Amino acid sequence: EPEVTQTPSHQVTQMGQEVILRCVPISNHLYFYWYRQILGQKVEFLVSFYNNEISEKSEIFDDQFSVERPDGSNFTLKIRSTKLEDSAMYFCASSEGLRTEAFFGQGTRLTVV
Amino acid sequence: GEDVEQSLFLSVREGDSSVINCTYTDSSSTYLYWYKQEPGAGLQLLTYIFSNMDMKQDQRLTVLLNKKDKHLSLRIADTQTGDSAIYFCAERSGGYQKVTFGIGTKLQVIP
Repeated sequence: EPEVTQTPSHQVTQMGQEVILRCVPISNHLYFYWYRQILGQKVEFLVSFYNNEISEKSEIFDDQFSVERPDGSNFTLKIRSTKLEDSAMYFCASSEGLRTEAFFGQGTRLTVV
Repeated sequence: GEDVEQSLFLSVREGDSSVINCTYTDSSSTYLYWYKQEPGAGLQLLTYIFSNMDMKQDQRLTVLLNKKDKHLSLRIADTQTGDSAIYFCAERSGGYQKVTFGIGTKLQVIP
């Protein structure tokens, strides 16, 4: 069964450093998403991406964040100058269409020290 | 803004039915979802219901929607130890891509 894969599963970074979280969405999917879950809190929407551009973003997704689809398979989330409060589980998801279900990856746990 | 609320914890005995409840605030919610998360795994979509439906049944799972009270429930019949996981209620308004999640209900199944 096709699945969304995320790498790495766990990343530790020093405050102020840049991190790139990687995702390989399901191959025929057109919509891509990033969500995050801070420990003990709700899963929060960050951004959606369609046709090589951001289609929707939340107030959390400020200038510190960027997304990219550098080639035909990867979808990345870059966090510039990480802060302690960026520590969270980051989930990537993809869907075939706007009204179809989103499939989630297993998440990348980011720890900022 | 949109909000989704659910209880944090539910414990049931193996073989019993589990009922996980959820309330939401967005009256324009069009799609309501139940996701399951097992330890170390991603979010798996279990089932979903459109807002124009009252009930949906899928094998051991029954989803009930009370749109007037903005209340959604997930019933798992004959709960098994393999059903132990965190269950997330979520909603999406038509035309928007953002899905709003509840905090998740941890289901513990006692053998």
